[in-house]
Amino acid sequence: NAGVTQTPKFRVLKTGQSMTLLCAQDMNHEYMYWYRQDPGMGLRLIHYSVGEGTTAKGEVPDGYNVSRLKKQNFLLGLESAAPSQTSVYFCASQRQGGSYEQYFGPGTRLTVT
Amino acid sequence: KQEVTQIPAALSVPEGENLVLNCSFTDSAIYNLQWFRQDPGKGLTSLLLIQSSQREQTSGRLNASLDKSSGRSTLYIAASQPGDSATYLCAVAGGTSYGKLTFGQGTILTVHP
Repeated sequence: NAGVTQTPKFRVLKTGQSMTLLCAQDMNHEYMYWYRQDPGMGLRLIHYSVGEGTTAKGEVPDGYNVSRLKKQNFLLGLESAAPSQTSVYFCASQRQGGSYEQYFGPGTRLTVT
Repeated sequence: KQEVTQIPAALSVPEGENLVLNCSFTDSAIYNLQWFRQDPGKGLTSLLLIQSSQREQTSGRLNASLDKSSGRSTLYIAASQPGDSATYLCAVAGGTSYGKLTFGQGTILTVHP
């Protein structure tokens, strides 16, 4: 099992460019999450999904869109990148029921210049 | 809105010491509490998860306790080693059927030989 994987690992964008971050999990988990981590701010929830075809806003959703067309994939899109979106992005997945433990990917380091 | 605070922000100890990391949260209606470890530039590794009905969990040299009524959790590390040096994050999952996590800002632990 690869667990939770994220693509790409690093990316540099110019202001106004767009990109999509891919999260994939092979654990057949129902729930998936996108967080961002900034110095002094901790991790904050951007968007989440409780199943294929569903998405919902988290704490800091502005400037991001998401899609969950397949159960194993959760995509995070930036339509027009801004320097304030420079951050490390983490994806996580979680099984429905049980302990609700979240499993995290290795992260994507994004710099917007 | 749930808020999670971790004290201290940073801790430096000599090898072999027993130490305690603290986490407090403002809303006691939680589903579970997780402790994570994060090495520099890396993702999150789950250390311990305590369900809201539990008082503590143990894994090797780690012991985590939960006092839901007072909104506190502690992570006890016995006989610390230089390899324990990392950032330790506390996160609480809200009282819903899926576990959106609210994170503290972390404690940076340095164990010197």
